[in-house]
Amino acid sequence: TQLLEQSPQFLSIQEGENLTVYCNSSSVFSSLQWYRQEPGEGPVLLVTVVTGGEVKKLKRLTFQFGDARKDSSLHITAAQPGDTGLYLCAGGAGDSNYQLIWGAGTKLIIKP
Amino acid sequence: NAGVTQTPKFQVLKTGQSMTLQCAQDMNHEYMSWYRQDPGMGLRLIHYSVGAGITDQGEVPNGYNVSRSTTEDFPLRLLSAAPSQTSVYFCASSYAGLAGRDTQYFGPGTRLTVL
Repeated sequence: TQLLEQSPQFLSIQEGENLTVYCNSSSVFSSLQWYRQEPGEGPVLLVTVVTGGEVKKLKRLTFQFGDARKDSSLHITAAQPGDTGLYLCAGGAGDSNYQLIWGAGTKLIIKP
Repeated sequence: NAGVTQTPKFQVLKTGQSMTLQCAQDMNHEYMSWYRQDPGMGLRLIHYSVGAGITDQGEVPNGYNVSRSTTEDFPLRLLSAAPSQTSVYFCASSYAGLAGRDTQYFGPGTRLTVL
């Protein structure tokens, strides 16, 4: 059974600080996605990474897919209160698989 | 486009009652799915559909039924509600459903409490 473990489960920091959250597995994934979920809403896709070692940037957010495609990280530079939310990673096992493997999420709070 | 819509937004049921959660999308997506989200457990797939007339079970299908008679609609039926089904339910759709490749578009969720 493929699993995705996210750490930390909860993170509360001050505005302006940097942070990194992790998504780890012992299994190889063909691709990995990061979603952000705000209270009372459904998750919204931030990024998809498909190549080992791939780095993608979305403004102050930097996403990296591990070289072996077993892990990923999300780094936020100079966090802002608008970054507050639940960050979820989800992995795809293959092109013919319709079932995403989801991590439990990292709840991030950015205090003004 | 309205995207993915879900009704109702909140629902309280008594044990043993049945109900249908509605989901509709206007993006002409072939793939639709239902998830439940519980604290600390992430999203768990209940059922999914890769097109009208085709459905399949996900990770936690027991106690739920689905059907897909049109591309737009994918209702989720709770047959006999149990307290363990208290959760937030999300409907999602994507173009072709390729896990980890296609963008999943989520509805706003239905918050269900079973007493």
